[in-house]
Order: sequence, then C-alpha cells, then structure tokens
Amino acid sequence: GAVVSQHPSWVICKSGTSVKIECRSLDFQATTMFWYRQFPKQSLMLMATSNEGSKATYEQGVEKDKFLINHASLTLSTLTVTSAHPEDSSFYICSAPGLARSPYEQYFGPGTRLTVT
Amino acid sequence: SQKIEQNSEALNIQEGKTATLTCNYTNYSPAYLQWYRQDPGRGPVFLLLIRENEKEKRKERLKVTFDTTLKQSLFHITASQPADSATYLCALDAGFQKLVFGTGTRLLVSP
Repeated sequence: GAVVSQHPSWVICKSGTSVKIECRSLDFQATTMFWYRQFPKQSLMLMATSNEGSKATYEQGVEKDKFLINHASLTLSTLTVTSAHPEDSSFYICSAPGLARSPYEQYFGPGTRLTVT
Repeated sequence: SQKIEQNSEALNIQEGKTATLTCNYTNYSPAYLQWYRQDPGRGPVFLLLIRENEKEKRKERLKVTFDTTLKQSLFHITASQPADSATYLCALDAGFQKLVFGTGTRLLVSP
C-alpha cells in the first residue's frame, strides 16, 4: 500500500528560529500533497496544498511567508515554519492523494509534533 | 457558514456491541464523504469512502450510510472490539481532492 513518512516525528525549537518538516511518499509519486495542522483535542485544519513544480496554494488565514512549502520532487514536500512562536506549537500532518485506483483516498503521514519554547 | 459536526463527547460501549457514530454537515454539497480512524499522536488512516449517489457502503465490520437530504452520514462498527478504540473522523470533499474534517468522535470499547 501507499506509505507516507514524515521527519522529524517531533521537534522542540526556541522562539524565533525556523523548523523544517519533511513529508515523503515512499512507494509512489505524489504531484500533490496536503499539509494540515491539528491542535490538541481539535480536528485537522488544512493549511495548504503543495504542488510539485509550482507554488503552493494556501488556505484562507494561513500566512504563506510564515509557512514556506517546497515540493521539489515527486516524492518530497517540505514545510518550513519560519520565526516560530509558541502559538505555532501543534501537530503537523501531511497527506498525499491515493493511487489511480482510488484517487480520493488520502494517505497520511504519522505527523510531526512541534513544540516552540 | 459551513460546518461539519460529530458527537463531541466520547462514546463508551461494551465489547461485542455495535457502535454508531454520526456526522452532520451544513452548507456543503460533497460529491463524496470519507471516514478515517486516528489513534493518539498518529496520522489518520483511511477507512471508507461513500459517494453522493450511494446510500450504503460496507467493509468487513464497518458500514457507512450517506443521506444527502438529511446531510448526514452514519458510521457503524459491528461486533466492536477494544482494538477499535480510537477517534473517528468524517471528512468531506472540498474540491480538488481537498478534505474538510469534522471534529471527530472518540470511541472507547470496554472488554
């Protein structure tokens, strides 16, 4: 089956620094990936759509200059949280749409827990 | 405004019983609806997809119904097991393969 990995699984950083999170599709190619954020006891909120070879599209209210997305290859998308603040502490999850036989099914990564101190 | 609502309180049931979870939505006209399972500290895992022209879908012990008139989906787990304990999320198609998730319902199955 399709597998999506994320790295790191957790990270602690100081306020004002930047953090990069990687999302990889391990056994399939993904021209599109999605980035979500999940606060404790809340649901997943879509942040942006990552498109291979072109600019990401961001959901309303998400600052594109703060959350930089780069989809440099068919198997890798990165999310960089720039100048992180404690309110950016959250669980970040990426996903990729399913394979041709089930294009609407999403495969999710295991998530990255970001804590900003 | 658009809303997707799931029972916010945890659902506690006895092993062997059927668990029924509800997903209600307003101001959406999704072409399909999906259910995912999420364990603590993990990403969601796809369970079932049901299209707008389908009334019911089954997969092993899972059953999903979709009523576009009521704007509601029901998710059933029959013969529930403690291993079914998790948070279950419904997700609606928001176009371009994007998903909008409900708040999730935590299911606890006691032995």
